[in-house]
Amino acid sequence: DARVTQTPRHKVTEMGQEVTMRCQPILGHNTVFWYRQTMMQGLELLAYFRNRAPLDDSGMPKDRFSAEMPDATLATLKIQPSEPRDSAVYFCASGLPRQPQHFGDGTRLSIL
Amino acid sequence: AQRVTQPEKLLSVFKGAPVELKCNYSYSGSPELFWYVQYSRQRLQLLLRHISRESIKGFTADLNKGETSFHLKKPFAQEEDSAMYYCALRGGGNKLTFGTGTQLKVEL
Repeated sequence: DARVTQTPRHKVTEMGQEVTMRCQPILGHNTVFWYRQTMMQGLELLAYFRNRAPLDDSGMPKDRFSAEMPDATLATLKIQPSEPRDSAVYFCASGLPRQPQHFGDGTRLSIL
Repeated sequence: AQRVTQPEKLLSVFKGAPVELKCNYSYSGSPELFWYVQYSRQRLQLLLRHISRESIKGFTADLNKGETSFHLKKPFAQEEDSAMYYCALRGGGNKLTFGTGTQLKVEL
């Protein structure tokens, strides 16, 4: 059963530190999404890639967040510097055009 | 612009009672609607999509274009149905817009 794999599952760090979250999409999927889930805002789309090219990152704070796909098997989401308000669960999802998205288990991030 | 509204943050029902989780959407074109479920601290899983018109785990949802709704229903709630349910809309492109979610709690 193919799955989206996210690492790390949990991350606790102090404010000001750089945080890197990784996602391995399902093999063959050409669209990758990053979402942030919080109690207050629910699920928010941060960034969206197709064929490794960023199509939409309007939901992402540009000053501290960056998202990349160095190759088809890896997507990264970086926060530098991190702030306590970045504490959330970050989900990666992958899919094919006109097919449902498949979600990873998420990275639970706590910034102290 | 596309928008999904789930008016209830929390819905509490007794085991065996009917369930209806509300979802309304706003989109000028022809939307594709989904329901995702998230069990405690787990990943989101696709529950239903309107184009497949199937029943999963006893849940059904019908797209009502006149009322712009895609409510999720189940005739008899089970304890294992307790979870967070998200309604989502896909308009142009592959981007999903999610509602804020409804926490379903099934009590014994």
